[in-house]
Amino acid sequence: EAQVTQNPRYLITVTGKKLTVTCSQNMNHEYMSWYRQDPGLGLRQIYYSMNVEVTDKGDVPEGYKVSRKEKRNFPLILESPSPNQTSLYFCASSRRDFKTNEQFFGPGTRLTVL
Amino acid sequence: KNEVEQSPQNLTAQEGEFITINCSYSVGISALHWLQQHPGGGIVSLFMLSSGKKKHGRLIATINIQEKHSSLHITASHPRDSAVYICAVKGGATNKLIFGTGTLLAVQP
Repeated sequence: EAQVTQNPRYLITVTGKKLTVTCSQNMNHEYMSWYRQDPGLGLRQIYYSMNVEVTDKGDVPEGYKVSRKEKRNFPLILESPSPNQTSLYFCASSRRDFKTNEQFFGPGTRLTVL
Repeated sequence: KNEVEQSPQNLTAQEGEFITINCSYSVGISALHWLQQHPGGGIVSLFMLSSGKKKHGRLIATINIQEKHSSLHITASHPRDSAVYICAVKGGATNKLIFGTGTLLAVQP
């Protein structure tokens, strides 16, 4: 089954404790992206990757890191989480073709930073 | 002003009604997406448009590039259509998506 998986689905942590949210897709997609969703603000892009070893900042990259060492994986790293990073996070993937690429979303990770 | 505006923000309809959700944007785009988010959070892509009109079952999406406007229509609405509908636009030469804040639809039996 074609899918994007994220882990963990739920996480409660404390300020400053490094964490990683994993994202994996099995569709051989070139493009992957991370979004956060906050009430009243909608979805905002954090980072995206056009292919292996190619990453770029989205609209709200501060406090986050990503890496793309393999095509299927795109982990989101919070080196020193803060309470303002409490949010619902989505990973998505698609083919690189700009005109035809439908985005496939993961199930979401609800993160709470105390 | 947001680059992508949706209206209405909230919509309540009776089962069977015809529903229209609107999306206006202020930037040049290469494509526009309509997404559906059910309670519980999962997001599903409904349509991707760069011109004209697309239909899938009871859902119809249209886009007018000159007017920078898109509409999502639901015919014969059903309670299972209750969800948040999100419009997102893709900038001309990148894969960056800019999202509207969504329209919360509740269809009552």
